[in-house]
Amino acid sequence: AQTVTQSQPEMSVQEAETVTLSCTYDTSESNYYLFWYKQPPSRQMILVIRQEAYKQQNATENRFSVNFQKAAKSFSLKISDSQLGDTAMYFCAFTPLFGASGTYKYIFGTGTRLKVLA
Amino acid sequence: DTAVSQTPKYLVTQMGNDKSIKCEQNLGHDTMYWYKQDSKKFLKIMFSYNNKELIINETVPNRFSPKSPDKAHLNLHINSLELGDSAVYFCASSQGLPGRMNTEAFFGQGTRLTVV
Repeated sequence: AQTVTQSQPEMSVQEAETVTLSCTYDTSESNYYLFWYKQPPSRQMILVIRQEAYKQQNATENRFSVNFQKAAKSFSLKISDSQLGDTAMYFCAFTPLFGASGTYKYIFGTGTRLKVLA
Repeated sequence: DTAVSQTPKYLVTQMGNDKSIKCEQNLGHDTMYWYKQDSKKFLKIMFSYNNKELIINETVPNRFSPKSPDKAHLNLHINSLELGDSAVYFCASSQGLPGRMNTEAFFGQGTRLTVV
């Protein structure tokens, strides 16, 4: 079974500081996609960043970057220069390459609640 | 313009009632989903549809029946509502099935269902 684990239920960070959210996953597939989604209090799920497993280079999007360790099956999210608007639930998600193992869905972790402190 | 829109955003109803949640996407996507988010914020897939055809039914009770009249719409009908059905239900869509190049899911704002 493919699973996604986020071991940090809650985290806090001071404004302007850097924080790293952890995510590990379990799969026997060699090609897949990984995502980080943000869910602010408004409830809207927003894509933060995406990583293709066949790419060794870590994805970056402005203040957001990932540390993708394929062998360790780890996919952490680093938020630099944290802002109050980053306060949200963050979900790590996984999906195998199209058609692999018949999995046609996005599998989510249990989420990390991040609070940015003023 | 809202990409994926769900109605209603809030729904309070009594046990035993039947209710529907509607979802529409204007992104031209051909794959749509229903996810359930429980009180602990865990997101679990319920159904996936591709080109109006059901491709995933994740052991959801028969009281839940999705309907996709066309590629842009995926509605969720729930019969005989139970207390345990209280949750936030998210509709989502993607361009093609998950795992295609650059395919991420776009989500609606969710429907908070409260069964009393």
